[in-house]
Amino acid sequence: AQSVTQPDIHITVSEGASLELRCNYSYGATPYLFWYVQSPGQGLQLLLKYFSGDTLVQGIKGFEAEFKRSQSSFNLRKPSVHWSDAAEYFCAVGAKQGAQKLVFGQGTRLTINP
Amino acid sequence: NAGVTQTPKFQVLKTGQSMTLQCAQDMNHNSMYWYRQDPGMGLRLIYYSASEGTTDKGEVPNGYNVSRLNKREFSLRLESAAPSQTSVYFCASRRRPTVSYNEQFFGPGTRLTVL
Repeated sequence: AQSVTQPDIHITVSEGASLELRCNYSYGATPYLFWYVQSPGQGLQLLLKYFSGDTLVQGIKGFEAEFKRSQSSFNLRKPSVHWSDAAEYFCAVGAKQGAQKLVFGQGTRLTINP
Repeated sequence: NAGVTQTPKFQVLKTGQSMTLQCAQDMNHNSMYWYRQDPGMGLRLIYYSASEGTTDKGEVPNGYNVSRLNKREFSLRLESAAPSQTSVYFCASRRRPTVSYNEQFFGPGTRLTVL
């Protein structure tokens, strides 16, 4: 069965510091991988996605993620966070074919210290 | 383009009451989805519609029914609400996928409380 684990429920970083959010998945084949961000009281916005090819993918708002097949990981990074990055971040996995029933991780809440 | 819209934004029900959550998309997308979000559990798929005229169960379908009214609209019905259905409900849609395009677009959510 598909599963996604985000080991960190809550992370606090200082503004300007670097950020890495962890995501590990379990899936029978190479999946589609996504990172979504949710600001308080809002819906989910796609940050970036991995389908195939280059394992380092760039997204919006200066985020990037690296797919590592050997570690079943898809960690999200940002070199320097801004106060506006405070939000909840979700990693998700979906099938390459068919209806794409996404499986989400539990989410990581990011707090930014001024 | 409004994207994915959901009504209502908030709702309070008493145990045993019924209601329908509405979702519409104006992007001519083929697939539509209903998720629920609970603290510490991420989002879980309730039902989905891969294309107009089809619906299928997701991970947590018990207590819910859906209708794909047409290509634009996908409703979620709670026939007899229970406190365990207190949650935030998200609708999403996806166009016909290509090799490089396969993401879902989410609505703003409906916050439902069942007393």
